[in-house]
Amino acid sequence: DAKTTQPNSMESNEEEPVHLPCNHSTISGTDYIHWYRQLPSQGPEYVIHGLTSNVNNRMASLAIAEDRKSSTLILHRATLRDAAVYYCLSGATNKLIFGTGTLLAVQP
Amino acid sequence: NAGVTQTPKFQVLKTGQSMTLQCAQDMNHEYMSWYRQDPGMGLRLIHYSVGAGITDQGEVPNGYNVSRSTTEDFPLRLLSAAPSQTSVYFCASSYWGGYGYTFGSGTRLTVV
Repeated sequence: DAKTTQPNSMESNEEEPVHLPCNHSTISGTDYIHWYRQLPSQGPEYVIHGLTSNVNNRMASLAIAEDRKSSTLILHRATLRDAAVYYCLSGATNKLIFGTGTLLAVQP
Repeated sequence: NAGVTQTPKFQVLKTGQSMTLQCAQDMNHEYMSWYRQDPGMGLRLIHYSVGAGITDQGEVPNGYNVSRSTTEDFPLRLLSAAPSQTSVYFCASSYWGGYGYTFGSGTRLTVV
């Protein structure tokens, strides 16, 4: 199973963009890159996923390095509601293995 | 749509008791998984399934059994509860191939 590395914590100010990095140097060619987040006292929530190309949806953007060994989740304008643990995962889609994630704090 | 429904939401067991955590989804998802999350920790995969009749072990399968007789249901059985199994359990489901998972709201289990 591919392993991911994320910073333990990050801080952002409200209304500013946030770039959450993730390294997945052991990713294989068919592994997707997934991002989930977990708000306090809730179950994880799907954010975005991609294979090779950058991806955008209503929640965020995913920028994938050309060699696929790293990716960045971009929240374009952080809100207080975006304070959560963000998990980056890479691997087969039938077997998602979570790491420890990045705790994002958003300051008003 | 109800999404992923987990029951019960809370449960207290005595050491040695057995119980089944229920998980049902109404989205016709092929993939289903069970995770546990200990306080202040990340999620660990217990068992997963890619379709009815097919299950496999995840990272921490010991002490748990699963079966998948229908597409909709994926129950998790604790055979003989131990205090180390005190945790929050999440069930999740997804379509086949490259889609995001939908998670249930969790079952908080305490074993005394």
